[in-house]
Amino acid sequence: GAVVSQHPSRVICKSGTSVKIECRSLDFQATTMFWYRQFPKQSLMLMATSNEGSKATYEQGVEKDKFLINHASLTLSTLTVTSAHPEDSSFYICSARLQTDEQFFGPGTRLTVL
Amino acid sequence: RKEVEQDPGPFNVPEGATVAFNCTYSNSASQSFFWYRQDCRKEPKLLMSVYSSGNEDGRFTAQLNRASQYISLLIRDSKLSDSATYLCVVKTSTGNQFYFGTGTSLTVIP
Repeated sequence: GAVVSQHPSRVICKSGTSVKIECRSLDFQATTMFWYRQFPKQSLMLMATSNEGSKATYEQGVEKDKFLINHASLTLSTLTVTSAHPEDSSFYICSARLQTDEQFFGPGTRLTVL
Repeated sequence: RKEVEQDPGPFNVPEGATVAFNCTYSNSASQSFFWYRQDCRKEPKLLMSVYSSGNEDGRFTAQLNRASQYISLLIRDSKLSDSATYLCVVKTSTGNQFYFGTGTSLTVIP
């Protein structure tokens, strides 16, 4: 299957700092990428849909000014968690969509905000 | 009503057993259907797409019932390594709307 990388895999930061997470499709071009968040023992929650060259579409309840998404190329989308707080600690996962509608997920980024 | 519903389980089955999961969806215009598996603290991985005619991959069989609006996943001869959470995903016919089930937990017991 297609390969999606995500970096960093784990980050610990102080409250109030910003964290940038990168999602790359390694062997294909993805016009659409998705960002999810998953809390322990809960299901995936879609945060936003990232479209190359245009603004991201955010799900209800997700603050676009706090979770900045940039999809500047067909192989890279970034999520920046601005002014992170302990309640932002979670597992953040990106996925890239093929034309067949299959989604391939990155390995995830575990964020811990102290 | 949720777009996609799954029985969360847990399903605890002995090795070698056959186990089946169902997933119902509410939008009759849904077009694409998938099963993913997610291991603890890992990302979901595509298990198989679900085609109208049904499809099989080794011990795994997926079926779609449009009339009753559900998809199913059958696992035969369960292995310990099949222990995971199985997610169904449904996409509507237009746009980027994907709907994830909450997942069904499977534990295969020696």
